[in-house]
Amino acid sequence: DQQVKQNSPSLSVQEGRISILNCDYTNSMFDYFLWYKKYPAEGPTFLISISSIKDKNEDGRFTVFLNKSAKHLSLHIVPSQPGDSAVYFCAASRSGANSKLTFGKGITLSVRP
Amino acid sequence: DTEVTQTPKHLVMGMTNKKSLKCEQHMGHRAMYWYKQKAKKPPELMFVYSYEKLSINESVPSRFSPECPNSSLLNLHLHALQPEDSALYLCASSQDGGAATGANVLTFGAGSRLTVL
Repeated sequence: DQQVKQNSPSLSVQEGRISILNCDYTNSMFDYFLWYKKYPAEGPTFLISISSIKDKNEDGRFTVFLNKSAKHLSLHIVPSQPGDSAVYFCAASRSGANSKLTFGKGITLSVRP
Repeated sequence: DTEVTQTPKHLVMGMTNKKSLKCEQHMGHRAMYWYKQKAKKPPELMFVYSYEKLSINESVPSRFSPECPNSSLLNLHLHALQPEDSALYLCASSQDGGAATGANVLTFGAGSRLTVL
């Protein structure tokens, strides 16, 4: 049973445009949501997180939106750059000691020059 | 130093071999993790060490044996593996495993690509 779902396996956007990556979750006990980016032959790199008590968090070109009632979050990248081409994982965790990070399957983003 | 270093990058082993994967971090993190990732799948948690004690074992077969010699090092000992164990093994660390408030942000290594023949 997948608790974190990324239903679109891939996304292709033009350089300079907005990339919107979606993620849904089923476990209402999750307190934190995180986005990781992964290049080939590298480990996942942390991008941005959001607490369940917020609905938006922004860091430079990256903004994460959380809709708790819909159990949905999205990562917006504006403007998209070719270097953003990577696999993006949505992840979720509960707060507290020994919290586990549960990942979605990932979305492959391609930014066309 | 903001890195998690994993060795070896690639490992090929037979089903009767004994080998080890190693992981090192010098960020002062007190929680360390082993994840397994198969192609086109998300990383799956295997083990968590918190303050050098095993705190989570996600029902991993005993042919995988973790070890945390000190707060900077994490090993994964491999013995009698099966071909289906071939995967990318990712080590990660975090400040305190989520004990404090705030998101438990994991820093990952580049992974060890394991092939079992």
